[in-house]
Amino acid sequence: GAGVSQSPRYKVAKRGQDVALRCDPISGHVSLFWYQQALGQGPEFLTYFQNEAQLDKSGLPSDRFFAERPEGSVSTLKIQRTQQEDSAVYLCASSNYLAGGRLFEQYFGPGTRLTVT
Amino acid sequence: DAKTTQPNSMESNEEEPVHLPCNHSTISGTDYIHWYRQLPSQGPEYVIHGLTSNVNNRMASLAIAEDRKSSTLILHRATLRDAAVYYCILTGSNTGKLIFGQGTTLQVKP
Repeated sequence: GAGVSQSPRYKVAKRGQDVALRCDPISGHVSLFWYQQALGQGPEFLTYFQNEAQLDKSGLPSDRFFAERPEGSVSTLKIQRTQQEDSAVYLCASSNYLAGGRLFEQYFGPGTRLTVT
Repeated sequence: DAKTTQPNSMESNEEEPVHLPCNHSTISGTDYIHWYRQLPSQGPEYVIHGLTSNVNNRMASLAIAEDRKSSTLILHRATLRDAAVYYCILTGSNTGKLIFGQGTTLQVKP
């Protein structure tokens, strides 16, 4: 079946521009995660949704970062006034994980590579 | 979240077994041990997870020490497609987020 898809795959933004990154999770998956991966590093957690509720946003690096999942399916990560340090691959993952419940593996998309010039 | 320690890199020959170690001396009783791998230019991919007992699946085996302070991911016959960064991650039962470290970069030589 279809996996997690992300768009665009590549984005170049000038410093100060706003960007929006889209994630289409696997159909029916309750949980959705966003991660940021800098070059040569492991992914770092940004935020977590269970259905449309954002239950954990402890990893968002600043108030310029905002994520939403209004209908509990597609999610958008928005970065306002991009800075050079925002350059990274942004990964989305979905699973049937329920907080406090049984663990399920996370399925990752291919990522969006953001370059801020 | 408890921390894991892995070697930065390992090498293997094709079609030989590979044992990837992970130390997690501060693991708590409810932490699961997960392994993910990331092939070049792709998102991470789930490999296996366990709690106390050894686990096998079609991709790999996970051997967990009796005191749970270390574990080993075993690839039974490495192929060139297994060249990737392998991450050992601990997760509590009440949180879904994955805390990745640097992982182990596995090179497979033909």
